[in-house]
Amino acid sequence: DAGITQSPRHKVTETGTPVTLRCHQTENHRYMYWYRQDPGHGLRLIHYSYGVKDTDKGEVSDGYSVSRSKTEDFLLTLESATSSQTSVYFCAITSGEVDTQYFGPGTRLTVL
Amino acid sequence: SQKIEQNSEALNIQEGKTATLTCNYTNYSPAYLQWYRQDPGRGPVFLLLIRENEKEKRKERLKVTFDTTLKQSLFHITASQPADSATYLCALETGANNLFFGTGTRLTVIP
Repeated sequence: DAGITQSPRHKVTETGTPVTLRCHQTENHRYMYWYRQDPGHGLRLIHYSYGVKDTDKGEVSDGYSVSRSKTEDFLLTLESATSSQTSVYFCAITSGEVDTQYFGPGTRLTVL
Repeated sequence: SQKIEQNSEALNIQEGKTATLTCNYTNYSPAYLQWYRQDPGRGPVFLLLIRENEKEKRKERLKVTFDTTLKQSLFHITASQPADSATYLCALETGANNLFFGTGTRLTVIP
């Protein structure tokens, strides 16, 4: 594994509650990404970061926000979770040289 | 917008045969393309990268081709084994250090 951990690994929550997922890396890589993976859609980019405090939106960013106050941590927040945000969330990192991405183990989120 | 089609959702082959997976894309000319393997319940794992000026890339029993005219990449696994059973994803670089992933092909190698 590329030194990436995600927490929690599983979470069940109710509609309307805030949820924060954490991605932690020990590689000191500059770029970090959050994806969601759903059947029939594959991996879709939510947000990414290209440095501390530098973030940008991906393909499916509505309803999500991110923060990166340290190189090693990238947080994904669902301000008010909806059932459509039930998914498996993956964090990834890359050194930025050739964009090969290394993925974390994933977080399975269920919004009831 | 970018679109990637991977030939089929599922592919079954007999052990020892060559598996061929297809990745077709539209609306973009990527500088390179990558292939990943994903096992159930786990994150994708990088396998191979091929650049636009490369026709073919090999790694052990894996081979990738890249035809920028056809906008297609083929991914081959020779002498397939049951342990090769997994979902294989292709991904295109989209600039800004981002990748766009296909939905994947689930390969099952039958003993």
